[in-house]
Amino acid sequence: LAKTTQPISMDSYEGQEVNITCSHNNIATNDYITWYQQFPSQGPRFIIQGYKTKVTNEVASLFIPADRKSSTLSLPRVSLSDTAVYYCLVGGRTDKLIFGTGTRLQVFP
Amino acid sequence: DTGVSQDPRHKITKRGQNVTFRCDPISEHNRLYWYRQTLGQGPEFLTYFQNEAQLEKSRLLSDRFSAERPKGSFSTLEIQRTEQGDSAMYLCASSQGLARTYNEQFFGPGTRLTVL
Repeated sequence: LAKTTQPISMDSYEGQEVNITCSHNNIATNDYITWYQQFPSQGPRFIIQGYKTKVTNEVASLFIPADRKSSTLSLPRVSLSDTAVYYCLVGGRTDKLIFGTGTRLQVFP
Repeated sequence: DTGVSQDPRHKITKRGQNVTFRCDPISEHNRLYWYRQTLGQGPEFLTYFQNEAQLEKSRLLSDRFSAERPKGSFSTLEIQRTEQGDSAMYLCASSQGLARTYNEQFFGPGTRLTVL
């Protein structure tokens, strides 16, 4: 899977929009971009996936520019319960997930 | 609850002992994965099964580690002669082989192993 780079940590306050950007300069044509969320002492949870442009679901939005060399996970109006580690993964249809160290998001009241 | 379950949730053992963990995947999922996660790191792939066949093993999976999925349902991960470096969270995940969403795996809560 393509290597990804994302910030180690981010801080925010409740009610703010949080954008986490992931760089993946070597993304391949058939690669998809997938984000997972992990709370302490729990397994990761799939949040969103996209290939190009914008994808939105009930949890988040994913923005992917035309060159696909980066992507931005957008969390609208975060709450304390959004405090977690967020992982960006890039790859095609694969049998294993390769996680980096992720971005630790801390939301303050 | 129809999610992935793991047992036990916590295991403390002494160095040199053998331990076995169990994972029950989501019932209709034919793929089952094992990952290991240490503090501050993302999960690392260990091995995966499609039905009862073990299709890939990471180099992280030394010969002290063995995984089985005898009937294509639950899986066990055994670690023989545990070492302190084996202390980690062991995560199990499952997925449908022909899922519409690529790379969507459903994770269990993990088994936290502490080797003293």
